[in-house]
Amino acid sequence: QQQVKQSPQSLIVQKGGIPIINCAYENTAFDYFPWYQQFPGKGPALLIAIRPDVSEKKEGRFTISFNKSAKQFSLHIMDSQPGDSATYFCAALISSGSARQLTFGSGTQLTVLP
Amino acid sequence: EPEVTQTPSHQVTQMGQEVILRCVPISNHLYFYWYRQILGQKVEFLVSFYNNEISEKSEIFDDQFSVERPDGSNFTLKIRSTKLEDSAMYFCASRGGAAYNEQFFGPGTRLTVL
Repeated sequence: QQQVKQSPQSLIVQKGGIPIINCAYENTAFDYFPWYQQFPGKGPALLIAIRPDVSEKKEGRFTISFNKSAKQFSLHIMDSQPGDSATYFCAALISSGSARQLTFGSGTQLTVLP
Repeated sequence: EPEVTQTPSHQVTQMGQEVILRCVPISNHLYFYWYRQILGQKVEFLVSFYNNEISEKSEIFDDQFSVERPDGSNFTLKIRSTKLEDSAMYFCASRGGAAYNEQFFGPGTRLTVL
């Protein structure tokens, strides 16, 4: 019940395309959902995050869509660029918990072709 | 911009040896974490630390692991007797205070156990 399931495992798009990465969770106690971007040899970097009281959040070219009833959320990257090529992880946490440890999805390796 | 730093970037050790991984969290942060990422797999929570004690730990964090904040700036992870399966990337993360959910990750230490 603590798992966050992420798909697809890998994704290749052309420059300017709109890759979409999907995540699903079971634990309804999760109430904060960040996305992290990871380049090879680097640590995960927070990209954007959403709470379940909104259905969409946009920051620059990155948009999270959230469907609370379906327990699903997704990341859309508008006008994708080769520099967006990285591994993307969705995650979830319980903000009322003392530790607020992150539960990560399995990651999506995105390649944006020039 | 403040950042989490980790040393060393790469540690090679023999099975059965003790290793200490070091982290310097962001200076005004209060909550500290260790996560692990086995090559090609997802990031997994190990332990969280607040107010000089462990607040939460995962099943991975067994008696071979310990954490310490020996002074006001460092946060360490010790593995007492390393096993081959401990080979992974270890990430330190920190979080500001109770009002914040965002965790900031360091660049990681790659641990190779031979």
